[in-house]
Amino acid sequence: SSELTQDPAVSVALGQPARITCQGDSLRKYYASWFQQKPGRAPVLVIFGKNNRPSGIPDRFSVSSSGNSVSLTITGAQAEDEADYFCNSRDSSGKHLVFGGGTKLTVL
Amino acid sequence: EMQLIESGGGLVQPGRSLRLSCAASGFTFDDYAMHWVRQAPGKGLEWVSGISWNSGITGYADSVKGRFTISRDNAKNSLYLQMDSLRVEDTALYYCAKDEGSYYGGAFDIWGQGTKVTVSS
Repeated sequence: SSELTQDPAVSVALGQPARITCQGDSLRKYYASWFQQKPGRAPVLVIFGKNNRPSGIPDRFSVSSSGNSVSLTITGAQAEDEADYFCNSRDSSGKHLVFGGGTKLTVL
Repeated sequence: EMQLIESGGGLVQPGRSLRLSCAASGFTFDDYAMHWVRQAPGKGLEWVSGISWNSGITGYADSVKGRFTISRDNAKNSLYLQMDSLRVEDTALYYCAKDEGSYYGGAFDIWGQGTKVTVSS
């Protein structure tokens, strides 16, 4: 079982904010990264570190944290944001990396 | 353009070995940590192994420790994964991924398209 927990599915109406959460004890100490994966495609990094977006990632993607939980927020979800989202971080030992189980985002 | 191209996947019997390769281009390979990540059919992502820029630090998921070996050749801009004692549960699409830092922090900013490994008798 993963040391990072994500809700399996989240739905959001077009244009509304979407929030995807990742929980794990290691998140109290280490930053998480977030990846978007569309069917048949390789994952794409969307957020890393405190709140860093790689070049080309829209500014509607942001991250916040509280305790052992990190949340990816999409302000004004678009149809093209429909995808699987995965968080990752170090595990509780700090020596290895681990992914959350993933969240399927549906934009209605 | 920064690019990673994996190769070496295929169909192999349980207990046999396979070596994956990843050719990097478009960036200074020896500045960055590199990783292997796999995805079983219909499943999520699993970090398999990582290696720091100078090979000084390597790490493995518990599921592959003692069976897989990661290595890199900075002169050839290449990353490798030697997979021994393969099991049916190792069946997956294996991605090569570049870390945004020189030690592994988990922000994989460049991914290859993956190479498929099928372990079956």
